[in-house]
Amino acid sequence: AQSVTQLDSQVPVFEEAPVELRCNYSSSVSVYLFWYVQYPNQGLQLLLKYLSGSTLVKGINGFEAEFNKSQTSFHLRKPSVHISDTAEYFCALVSGGYQKVTFGTGTKLQVIP
Amino acid sequence: GAGVSQSPSNKVTEKGKDVELRCDPISGHTALYWYRQSLGQGLEFLIYFQGNSAPDKSGLPSDRFSAERTGGSVSTLTIQRTQQEDSAVYLCASSHGTVGGYEQYFGPGTRLTVT
Repeated sequence: AQSVTQLDSQVPVFEEAPVELRCNYSSSVSVYLFWYVQYPNQGLQLLLKYLSGSTLVKGINGFEAEFNKSQTSFHLRKPSVHISDTAEYFCALVSGGYQKVTFGTGTKLQVIP
Repeated sequence: GAGVSQSPSNKVTEKGKDVELRCDPISGHTALYWYRQSLGQGLEFLIYFQGNSAPDKSGLPSDRFSAERTGGSVSTLTIQRTQQEDSAVYLCASSHGTVGGYEQYFGPGTRLTVT
């Protein structure tokens, strides 16, 4: 069985400060990992994804994530957040060639002016 | 090209009534997913269609929920005898699988309110 854990349900951070949103996963086979963002009253959109290759993945809006196989983690980072980054962020995985996607419970990022 | 569309965008229904929610995926996408997002909750997987294979219904919360996908394209999620706890936003997503790197494209959702 596969699972995704986002331990932080809410993360408040001041504008222009760095942020890290944590994601850990569990899977017995190889995985593909994703971060999706949901802005208020909007649908989800892809922020970035890891399929293979370099473990540091860069996405839209200055976000990046690092795949760490030994730690089974895929944490999302941004060096300096803006008010517009206020949203809910979901970590997700696909494993074993099966397209069913498992989502984490989401982390609400609240950027404080 | 057009993205994933869902209709209606909002639906208010009385407890006990049946509702149908529609999803039009991106043309050519082989995989289609339904999720439910309740207030303050994450994404709850409901059902997954992949090509002509039997759907994965493991997430459907009760036998009041069913879904079909006709012709490998449009999908309808049906909720019979709606209950107040069914109130949520129902999201549909489609994917091109390996070709698209498993990226899911989400529709705007249908907000269902059961009174």
